[in-house]
Amino acid sequence: DIQMTQSPSTLSASVGDRVTITCRASQTISDWLAWYQQKPGKAPNLLIYKVSTLEDGVPSRFSGSGSGTEFTLTISSLQPDDFATYYCQQFNTFSRTFGQGTKVEIK
Amino acid sequence: QVQLVESGGGLVKPGGSLRLSCAASGFAFHNYYMSWVRQAPGKGLEWVSYISHSGNAVYYADSVKGRFTISRDNSKKSLYLQMNSLRAGDTAVYYCARDGYCSGGACYWGFDSWGQGILVTVSS
Repeated sequence: DIQMTQSPSTLSASVGDRVTITCRASQTISDWLAWYQQKPGKAPNLLIYKVSTLEDGVPSRFSGSGSGTEFTLTISSLQPDDFATYYCQQFNTFSRTFGQGTKVEIK
Repeated sequence: QVQLVESGGGLVKPGGSLRLSCAASGFAFHNYYMSWVRQAPGKGLEWVSYISHSGNAVYYADSVKGRFTISRDNSKKSLYLQMNSLRAGDTAVYYCARDGYCSGGACYWGFDSWGQGILVTVSS
């Protein structure tokens, strides 16, 4: 199975900061990568699919990039509503593996 | 609007069984691939199982293979997860999620809709 590894596991940042989260796949996954945001007690919310395509309604401060085995989620200017946990997920195989998550905390 | 509503969770003893259901509305259920995802208390997301739009193809995480069975009834717009031989490690909130669809030779993958989640607790 493909393993997905996110870094860092926790990130402390301030409102207005530029934030980058990395996701590495154990083998190439082409462009079949999605990013989710999850807040406590809530279901995850799809932010980005196919590496860089923003889901409808997602603010443009979120962006995704990468290819092959290394991918990034960038928040250009962190807003109060963005403090949450973020997950990457691969769709290259039918085992839809998630990364372990990155918690973005208030500094 | 798209809605997914899980039911069937609860407390079960180790070795017991439980069947989760997910009622879909607001979209062409028969066109969509579906998945189950779980989240143990305080832990990350774990993909559990996937089923194709027709139900002909199913896949499972190694952690549940041989114990869980995914199925669907497109006439009822419903997704199911039969869970047998439950263990304490299966304790989690279980989500059904709309996985993706294929059209015109292209496929679109991304869990764009989720249920509210249902708690399954395995404990004696």
